[in-house]
Amino acid sequence: QVQLVQSGAEVTKPGASVKVSCTTSDYTFTTYGINWVRQAPGQGLEWMGWISTQNGNTNYAQNLQGRVTISADTSTSTAYMELRSLRSDDTAFYYCARDLGSYSGGTYPFDYWGQGTLITVSS
Amino acid sequence: DIQMTQSPSTLSASVGDRVTITCRASQSIKNWLAWYQQRPGKAPKLLIYEASTLETDVPSRFSGSGSGTEFTLTINSLRPDDFATYYCQQYASWFRTFGPGTKIHMK
Repeated sequence: QVQLVQSGAEVTKPGASVKVSCTTSDYTFTTYGINWVRQAPGQGLEWMGWISTQNGNTNYAQNLQGRVTISADTSTSTAYMELRSLRSDDTAFYYCARDLGSYSGGTYPFDYWGQGTLITVSS
Repeated sequence: DIQMTQSPSTLSASVGDRVTITCRASQSIKNWLAWYQQRPGKAPKLLIYEASTLETDVPSRFSGSGSGTEFTLTINSLRPDDFATYYCQQYASWFRTFGPGTKIHMK
């Protein structure tokens, strides 16, 4: 069945960067967009951004613009999220999630999710 | 960005109860609204999209309604595994935003 498997937890320092991977299986990677969502401990869900796996187009949340880059490697069916200039309030679970629909010009909710990756930012 | 609000933020209920959660958008999103359930330590799970369409394999005790700016999620006959946090999400805009969540806990 469709799976999104994320890389493992990381502890990193303020000012550093982190790159989380999301490896997909059991569907055609370039058919569905991939989103990244984060959740600080005990808090709600925050959409971070999206990538079209067909053409590499991206959209980012305005509050993260300039610090986040989402990319995709179609040869390995893997999406990546890099966050730079980390701060303590970036400590959160980071999830990748697949678009429900396949039309690259549309927006969709998310039907399959990765297991989450805990990123801890601490000096 | 489109802002989403939910009420209540927490809800105390018993097994067998009927519960309703309200979600409001800061501008019309037509019916481009989804509901998710999140259990502790787990990723969110899609329950409903297009305001009222049940995702595959979601039990029929879940239902959604609304359009424009006001939406509801109803759970009929609450079961033990329904005690969780529920989020609405708009996808009318590329900048897909979530509501703050409603936690259902046992009375």
